[in-house]
Amino acid sequence: AQSVSQHNHHVILSEAASLELGCNYSYGGTVNLFWYVQYPGQHLQLLLKYFSGDPLVKGIKGFEAEFIKSKFSFNLRKPSVQWSDTAEYFCAVTGGSYIPTFGRGTSLIVHP
Amino acid sequence: NAGVTQTPKFQVLKTGQSMTLQCAQDMNHEYMSWYRQDPGMGLRLIHYSVGAGITDQGEVPNGYNVSRSTTEDFPLRLLSAAPSQTSVYFCASSYSMLETQYFGPGTRLLVL
Repeated sequence: AQSVSQHNHHVILSEAASLELGCNYSYGGTVNLFWYVQYPGQHLQLLLKYFSGDPLVKGIKGFEAEFIKSKFSFNLRKPSVQWSDTAEYFCAVTGGSYIPTFGRGTSLIVHP
Repeated sequence: NAGVTQTPKFQVLKTGQSMTLQCAQDMNHEYMSWYRQDPGMGLRLIHYSVGAGITDQGEVPNGYNVSRSTTEDFPLRLLSAAPSQTSVYFCASSYSMLETQYFGPGTRLLVL
């Protein structure tokens, strides 16, 4: 079975700080990778995804993620966070015959 | 498109009561799933379906039943509610297991 690890459970930053959230997965075959965001009181929505091609993908609101196959990683980055980025972030992977697998999530708090 | 809809938004039950959480999507998605979200636990898969008439168990299926008689609807039944089932429940759908998941707004359930 595949698994997804998010190393940072809680992150607290000040506005304008840079962000990097780690995500590692265990499946060795071809994968599709996702980052979802859940703003307070809302449902999950897609932030960005990687299926193939350029391993550096750009999403909404200035977020980007880099797929490094050799490290089984798909880390999320943003050069300068805003207060409105306060949310919970979930990494997810699909691949082969496996159902989508989500990480446990990272809670990000951005202080103004 | 309404996307993924869930009803009710909030529900309070007494221990031992049964109820059905409704989920519907109008995107002609084959794959549908139910998750529960608890603090510190991320998203845990309860049941999923790859098409009408086909359902399977996820990570935490005990105490829940599902059926998929149509492509659009995927109700979740709580057979005999327990306080441990207090949670926020999200329904999601996608074209296939490999694609982007679209989430509903969630149902917040309190079992007394």
